[in-house]
Amino acid sequence: DTEVTQTPKHLVMGMTNKKSLKCEQHMGHRAMYWYKQKAKKPPELMFVYSYEKLSINESVPSRFSPECPNSSLLNLHLHALQPEDSALYLCASSTNEGGVNTEAFFGQGTRLTVV
Amino acid sequence: AQKITQTQPGMFVQEKEAVTLDCTYDTSDQSYGLFWYKQPSSGEMIFLIYQGSYDEQNATEGRYSLNFQKARKSANLVISASQLGDSAMYFCAMREWLTGGGNKLTFGTGTQLKVEL
Repeated sequence: DTEVTQTPKHLVMGMTNKKSLKCEQHMGHRAMYWYKQKAKKPPELMFVYSYEKLSINESVPSRFSPECPNSSLLNLHLHALQPEDSALYLCASSTNEGGVNTEAFFGQGTRLTVV
Repeated sequence: AQKITQTQPGMFVQEKEAVTLDCTYDTSDQSYGLFWYKQPSSGEMIFLIYQGSYDEQNATEGRYSLNFQKARKSANLVISASQLGDSAMYFCAMREWLTGGGNKLTFGTGTQLKVEL
């Protein structure tokens, strides 16, 4: 199974709402990621989890709160977002070993619209 | 810091023809990895091909090949026998290993490829 599954595929939320994005993989990968992609731009890294611990936060505003409950799941909790946070949010996973061809596998993304 | 440059915002190719998508990179690391991903309009990033900095042979995966010229710091993607389903955005990316585990992909700005009949 070489799939990363993200839910929901589309989400519209108001600026006062709280919502969560979910990501699941069963490839045994111990590194998981959230990327943000604005329209017509490349993806940009937000967070990295390694062995279920947050290892990188790329100066992301606190209205985005990641969580890694176990080695297969990754969540992104959203609260008090702004319209400029509207984007495609991509989850990815990879192995943690260095020196090998360790491509990241991406999910289909969640298209988020903040109104 | 790593940097990836893709200078072709859009490309057109006739079906069954070959096309080359350009990618140049800049890094001070001796060991690095270069990737190409395809992103259809559905949004998923699909891995195509990988080239390691110490690999002596150019990588190939089916209709995809990577023209790796280390001295020029270029890693161009060649798609042979283009198909209508190849129409998509293509991103070149460089991997940076993170000391805390995992890795970071830095992407170029992408090339939108359109395959025509």
